Order: sequence, then C-alpha cells, then structure tokens
Amino acid sequence: DADVTQTPRNRITKTGKRIMLECSQTKGHDRMYWYRQDPGLGLQLIYYSFDVKDINKGEISDGYSVSRQAQAKFSLSLESAIPNQTALYFCATSDLLSETQYFGPGTRLLVL
Amino acid sequence: GESVGLHLPTLSVQEGDNSIINCAYSNSASDYFIWYKQESGKGPQFIIDIRSNMDKRQGQRVTVLLNKTVKHLSLQIAATQPGDSAVYFCAENREGGSYIPTFGRGTSLIVHP
Repeated sequence: DADVTQTPRNRITKTGKRIMLECSQTKGHDRMYWYRQDPGLGLQLIYYSFDVKDINKGEISDGYSVSRQAQAKFSLSLESAIPNQTALYFCATSDLLSETQYFGPGTRLLVL
Repeated sequence: GESVGLHLPTLSVQEGDNSIINCAYSNSASDYFIWYKQESGKGPQFIIDIRSNMDKRQGQRVTVLLNKTVKHLSLQIAATQPGDSAVYFCAENREGGSYIPTFGRGTSLIVHP
C-alpha cells in the first residue's frame, strides 16, 4: 500500500553500527507503530506513537529508539546493531478512532 | 497469561475448496478482532473485522465467525484461489484498551492449483 512507505526496503549492516529505518504515511493518521517480525512468528511491537508528542515503548523496545518528526514521519533507530536484530521491520498507522492498522511494505534488515 | 494463538500453523487446500483458518484467544475482555493477510514480501493487509457483539460477519468471499463461549475465532474463505496463498493473522483488542492489537503467530495457507 503506497500510503505507508518505508525506506530502505533492504539493509545489510555490521554489528555495532547505528542505523535508521524511516516510515512515511500519507493517510493522515495520528497513530504510528513499529513492529518486528521474525520468521514463523507474529508481529512484536517495538514502539508506538499516538501523536507527534507521544512516544511509548512496546514489548521489545530494548536496543531501539524512535523519533516522531511529524505526523507523517516515524523513524526507528538501532543504536548499536547486533545480529539478533536481524528481522523484518514493519511500520503501521491507524486512525484516532479505529483499531485497524495499515502496514508498510517492510524493511528487511540483516546484521552481520 | 493472555495470548492469541492459532490451531494450525499450515493449511493446504485445493483451488476451489473452502478454507477455514482458526484462532483461539484467551483474553475474555477482548471485544474487537481483526484478520490480516500477509503475502510474501509484503506487509499485513486488513481483511475483515468483527466486534464482540456479533457472531458472524461477511465480506467478499470471506466470513469471520466469533464464538465467545469458547473464545474462538475463524476465518472462512470461499472458493479459495491461488491468490489467497498467504499467512493469515488474527489480532485482538481488549475492551477499553489502548487500541494496540495483540497478534497471533499466523497460519500459512497454501492453495494448490
């Protein structure tokens, strides 16, 4: 869905490097989320933001940080990447009064 | 503890058959349920939802059934097509919760032509 875009789509990095994954949306939604997906598993929530001044930790926030630069932009940073952070990362958005989430295409991250 | 789980991790069907994907939940306070479809290389996509005041909801070729007595949710896909091959996730939201859904592990649906 082009309404939610993620960059980069694929990234290979080395242990210890700091990297940023970016998410932009044109849906006009207030709420944005970052999830991690490991093979054969469901989605685990990393961080979420209900508006520009709101940041909340999810179930697996250790080793990650986020920035909500604007209503439309929500970035995820790995301060010092480690191999077990190799995963598929999804950004999602939702409207203020709806629980339905709209997902981006994902970023495939490999940490060597 | 609270959990959302799936009975069958993989379901294989023939094209044209009906498919049924099941999901069990344990949080009796959940009042909203969503099914998502994730195709290979893509993000999850909303299929259909249902609130706890309903037992059944129909969409185009899909039907969601909710049995609150046994905390069970199912997604029925009629006349399954190869394009239906994907991983299907159920998600639940707790009544009065913060609009953060809890996702199940997913079921892989494989449709054979």
